[in-house]
This record gives sequence, structure tokens and C-alpha cells, in this order.
Amino acid sequence: GAVVSQHPSRVICKSGTSVKIECRSLDFQATTMFWYRQFPKQSLMLMATSNEGSKATYEQGVEKDKFLINHASLTLSTLTVTSAHPEDSSFYICSARAAGGNTEAFFGQGTRLTVV
Amino acid sequence: AQSVTQLDSHVSVSEGTPVLLRCNYSSSYSPSLFWYVQHPNKGLQLLLKYTSAATLVKGINGFEAEFKKSETSFHLTKPSAHMSDAAEYFCVVSDRNPGTASKLTFGTGTRLQVTL
Repeated sequence: GAVVSQHPSRVICKSGTSVKIECRSLDFQATTMFWYRQFPKQSLMLMATSNEGSKATYEQGVEKDKFLINHASLTLSTLTVTSAHPEDSSFYICSARAAGGNTEAFFGQGTRLTVV
Repeated sequence: AQSVTQLDSHVSVSEGTPVLLRCNYSSSYSPSLFWYVQHPNKGLQLLLKYTSAATLVKGINGFEAEFKKSETSFHLTKPSAHMSDAAEYFCVVSDRNPGTASKLTFGTGTRLQVTL
């Protein structure tokens, strides 16, 4: 199956700094990428949807100025957590889908962010 | 609008016995349905998908699911559980509405425990 690479898998940062997470589709063109946040023992919460070359669409309650999403190419999307705080500590997962409504989404390995 | 209900938050089975993870969905359009598995601190792996072809779908690792429109269900089954099946399982729906950018809606997850 298709591969989505997410990097880094684990990051620890100081409060007030920014962290960038990359999501790459390795063998297909991802017209749409999704960013999720997952709290312990809970389901995935969609944060935003991004289409290549356009602004991301954020879900209600997600601060777009805090979680900056860039989808500059069909194989790369980035999520930047700006001015991170301990409450931003979480597991972040990206996924990518090719064009078409019935294609499955392929998921990255996830990034465990810890803000100290 | 679309939604997914996973009826059991936790299922425990003995190794070698059948597995049944229940999922009900609602969708305004003809749905695509997916089952994903997540091992601790990992991304999600696709087990199988339904996209309006055969109603009985076979996936990886011996899993299968049957789409029943009359019951709006897409339950996941496996004849014989293995210790390595212990993980979190998510039922996911996509209603293929062009206006929602192929958004996926996740169930709350079912934790499968396999005992000796």
C-alpha cells in the first residue's frame, strides 16, 4: 500500500517555542491531507483539512494561528505548533488521500509532542 | 452529515476464539466505510474498506466485514483471534459528498484485548 511518512516520531520542546511536523506521501500525490490530534485512549480529532496550494480548513475550536498548516506540494504538508504550551502535548497524526471520494486514507506514524 | 457509532469501547476474547467488533453508521450519501487498526503509539493501518462493490469485504490478517445497508452496520469479524490482534480498532465513514473534501469521520474506537 501507499506510504505516508511523518517526522519526527517524537519531540520534546520547551514551552514558548515552535515545533514543525512534516507529513510526506512517498509514492502518490496527496490532493488532500488531514491533521488529527489524539488524546490518550481517545479517538482521533480532526484539526484541519488541507488541499495542495490552498489555505487549510480548520475545524471548529482549532486555533489557526496556533496550528499553522502548509500544503505547498502534492507530497508534503507541515503542521507547525507555535508558542507551544504543555496543554499542546499530544499525539498528532497526519493522513493523506489521493483524489476521489472512495479512496482510503493513509496515515503517518504519528508524532508524540511533549511540551515541558 | 455522517456519523459512526462503535458500540463497544472494550472487547476481550480468548486466543483462538472469534472476534466481533460492532459498528453502525449514518450517512446522507452512499458511504465508503473503513476499518483501521492502531497499535500503541503508532499510526493507523487500513484493515479493509467498502466502496459499493461486494458487501462482504475481506481484509488483511484474516479480518472481514459485511456491509448491511438495511441495518446500517459494518461489523468487523475474525474467526480466530491471535495475541497480535490486541490493539485499538476504528470504524470510519466517508460519505463521498464532494462538498466535504472527502472528510473521514471516526468512531470512538474499540480496544481489543486477547487473553491466553
